[in-house]
Amino acid sequence: QKEVEQNSGPLSVPEGAIASLNCTYSDRGSQSFFWYRQYSGKSPELIMSIYSNGDKEDGRFTAQLNKASQYVSLLIRDSQPSDSATYLCAVNFGNEKLTFGTGTRLTIIP
Amino acid sequence: GAVVSQHPSWVICKSGTSVKIECRSLDFQATTMFWYRQFPKQSLMLMATSNEGSKATYEQGVEKDKFLINHASLTLSTLTVTSAHPEDSSFYICSAYSGRSTDTQYFGPGTRLTVL
Repeated sequence: QKEVEQNSGPLSVPEGAIASLNCTYSDRGSQSFFWYRQYSGKSPELIMSIYSNGDKEDGRFTAQLNKASQYVSLLIRDSQPSDSATYLCAVNFGNEKLTFGTGTRLTIIP
Repeated sequence: GAVVSQHPSWVICKSGTSVKIECRSLDFQATTMFWYRQFPKQSLMLMATSNEGSKATYEQGVEKDKFLINHASLTLSTLTVTSAHPEDSSFYICSAYSGRSTDTQYFGPGTRLTVL
């Protein structure tokens, strides 16, 4: 069974601080990893994809991948109230489908 | 680019009726689309993979005769919920690969179905 695990939260972070979201996955051979943001009542929106070990930065977002530890994370710098949402980690286990974690609910406190 | 639309955005129907949901790729061709269902406070659950010109592949536990999928063109896939019941009330979301990438899925805005 290929699984993606996330802490469901809620995770509360003060405005302006760094929010750190974590995700682990079960298949060491996985190659593609994604972070989506989902606002309440809306569909997921792609934030970042990452394929190689290390960090990938895009604006205030940084994705970190460690394939040896089967771990992918998302850092949000200078957190804003508009970042309050559920963040979904998704992994492509090599069969063109995405497997999603249950999501972490993030609340940015003004 | 990579815009996916869905129609309708919400629908309310009576138990026993059928409802059709459309998913369109607006600025690219999508040979593969996916249909998900999401219940409140739960994660996305893949229902089926829709391939243009061929039969859909359903996930385990999803009734193919109840959730009819048709992918007749490179820009349109439809999901028909037949004989809908209240337990089918959910948020249905489609997604597609962008065409430039066979790896990144872009999601439509979703359709909220309420069965009375």
